[in-house]
Amino acid sequence: DVKVTQSSRYLVKRTGEKVFLECVQDMDHENMFWYRQDPGLGLRLIYFSYDVKMKEKGDIPEGYSVSREKKERFSLILESASTNQTSMYLCASSLQTANQPQHFGDGTRLSIL
Amino acid sequence: GQNIDQPTEMTATEGAIVQINCTYQTSGFNGLFWYQQHAGEAPTFLSYNVLDGLEEKGRFSSFLSRSKGYSYLLLKELQMKDSASYLCAVTRNNRLAFGKGNQVVVIP
Repeated sequence: DVKVTQSSRYLVKRTGEKVFLECVQDMDHENMFWYRQDPGLGLRLIYFSYDVKMKEKGDIPEGYSVSREKKERFSLILESASTNQTSMYLCASSLQTANQPQHFGDGTRLSIL
Repeated sequence: GQNIDQPTEMTATEGAIVQINCTYQTSGFNGLFWYQQHAGEAPTFLSYNVLDGLEEKGRFSSFLSRSKGYSYLLLKELQMKDSASYLCAVTRNNRLAFGKGNQVVVIP
């Protein structure tokens, strides 16, 4: 079974802090994704990566950056956290072959005070 | 861009059949996924359609009409554990665009 592990289930940070959310997958997947999920808005893509050191902006990249130094790890960085970044953050991975399902981690519920 | 529309909530009785619809408008369509998400948990993959027609997988079936930009997920013999949000997502260039999800509540 594919395992996508997010480092924290719950996280509380303060406005202005730099926040790191970590995601690791164990199935040698090329693709990795970061989403946020908010009530009434659904899942929205922040950033994704097709390969090591490669990244592309999703639909809502503002205020975020990412890092993919190793194939199995994809980090989401909030450069200066703001209260509107309070959300559920979900990481996912998939094979690069066309039309493969994405496998999700359990999510990190991040609160910015 | 993408525009994906799903109804927001429905209630159904245990043992019944429920159909969840999804309409979409997108350029460069590759296929459509259905995911199930229980409250507080990660979405889990249910089905994938790339060609027109019906795909059956146990109690769950998914249908796609590419010309109409329309899909549905059919849940048969509903069980209490099927209470969840059901998300449709269209693929384009290895990316997924999700609908807002349809909350299904199963009652005894």
